[in-house]
Amino acid sequence: GENVEQHPSTLSVQEGDSAVIKCTYSDSASNYFPWYKQELGKGPQLIIDIRSNVGEKKDQRIAVTLNKTAKHFSLHITETQPEDSAVYFCAADNQAGTALIFGKGTTLSVSS
Amino acid sequence: EAQVTQNPRYLITVTGKKLTVTCSQNMNHEYMSWYRQDPGLGLRQIYYSMNVEVTDKGDVPEGYKVSRKEKRNFPLILESPSPNQTSLYFCASRPGYATDTQYFGPGTRLTVL
Repeated sequence: GENVEQHPSTLSVQEGDSAVIKCTYSDSASNYFPWYKQELGKGPQLIIDIRSNVGEKKDQRIAVTLNKTAKHFSLHITETQPEDSAVYFCAADNQAGTALIFGKGTTLSVSS
Repeated sequence: EAQVTQNPRYLITVTGKKLTVTCSQNMNHEYMSWYRQDPGLGLRQIYYSMNVEVTDKGDVPEGYKVSRKEKRNFPLILESPSPNQTSLYFCASRPGYATDTQYFGPGTRLTVL
């Protein structure tokens, strides 16, 4: 079945720096790649997603890139702020379209 | 407000005592799903439902049951909870297609003693 690997597991940056989180997936049939942010005590919240017909998508300080040939996608956060501190999860849809397969998460800490 | 709600948010119970965690969505979504989140393991799917009266197993279904009698509700049932089911549980829904945005509930933290 689909497997999604996410790196790094923890990431510490200074306020204003950029943060990059990378994921690889195993199923070439995957078409949908969302990123979720989870704050303490809350459910995952979608922050950006990308579909397989697009190579890059940007929303203000957040961008996602997708390389279908290499089967990897990345989240880029620029000008990080303390409120960006959270756990970030990447995911990919499985071949049957019945589930999102999640990476194990990245704990991002932004210090001021 | 469009949302997925879960109840209870916190639950402490004892081994073998049947419990139900409710999930409801007000977005008329066809697809609903349950995940459990454990440290170091991420989110894993327990069960999903593509529509009313249609349910199927996810990756970790053992010890759980679900039902989908109405479109808006998708309860998770633990007939005989065990300590290894201590976890954080999330309900999610999406309109229908695999590439639709999936929305998550706030979570239910379950402790089984």
